[in-house]
Amino acid sequence: DTGVSQNPRHKITKRGQNVTFRCDPISEHNRLYWYRQTLGQGPEFLTYFQNEAQLEKSRLLSDRFSAERPKGSFSTLEIQRTEQGDSAMYLCASSRGPSYEQYFGPGTRLTVT
Amino acid sequence: QKEVEQNSGPLSVPEGAIASLNCTYSDRGSQSFFWYRQYSGKSPELIMFIYSNGDKEDGRFTAQLNKASQYVSLLIRDSQPSDSATYLCAVRYGGGADGLTFGKGTHLIIQP
Repeated sequence: DTGVSQNPRHKITKRGQNVTFRCDPISEHNRLYWYRQTLGQGPEFLTYFQNEAQLEKSRLLSDRFSAERPKGSFSTLEIQRTEQGDSAMYLCASSRGPSYEQYFGPGTRLTVT
Repeated sequence: QKEVEQNSGPLSVPEGAIASLNCTYSDRGSQSFFWYRQYSGKSPELIMFIYSNGDKEDGRFTAQLNKASQYVSLLIRDSQPSDSATYLCAVRYGGGADGLTFGKGTHLIIQP
């Protein structure tokens, strides 16, 4: 059973650049979630998809952030015009459906210099 | 504002003893409750989930839920040094909202 995978695992970028992260969920899971975690804090919910439909977005998801799941399989999270405050671990999780437990991938650690 | 509160610790427990981790939540409509373990530099790993009042046991772990008191706890029996980690409590509020709200976590140290 393959777990959630994320790429890249680490990304260092300069302020103002755009970055894109990818998440591949567990194969039979139709819900996919994005979270952000900073040091000393719990993960914070950003958005989630049911198949290709984006069903919920947190107010944390500013206009510079966009997420897609075009074919209901993998998802991408893009951050435009990165800021130093975007430095965090970006976590992806998946579940079989509503009310089921969520399993996390290894995360992508973003450092904005 | 929906909140999940945990004591940040560190909580220090001797090896072989029972570790007790606690969590309170603010919204009475909350439906599902989860405990994740997170080692330093790693992602959260699901260890327990509970949906109904009472106790749920899985190996050395027991989750306890009291919806009237808005309280959920995790007991770890026969604590091992490998249990040393941060334990995150997470709550799903339901009603169409499927994102989890996490506490800041409790740092647990098992002393050999």
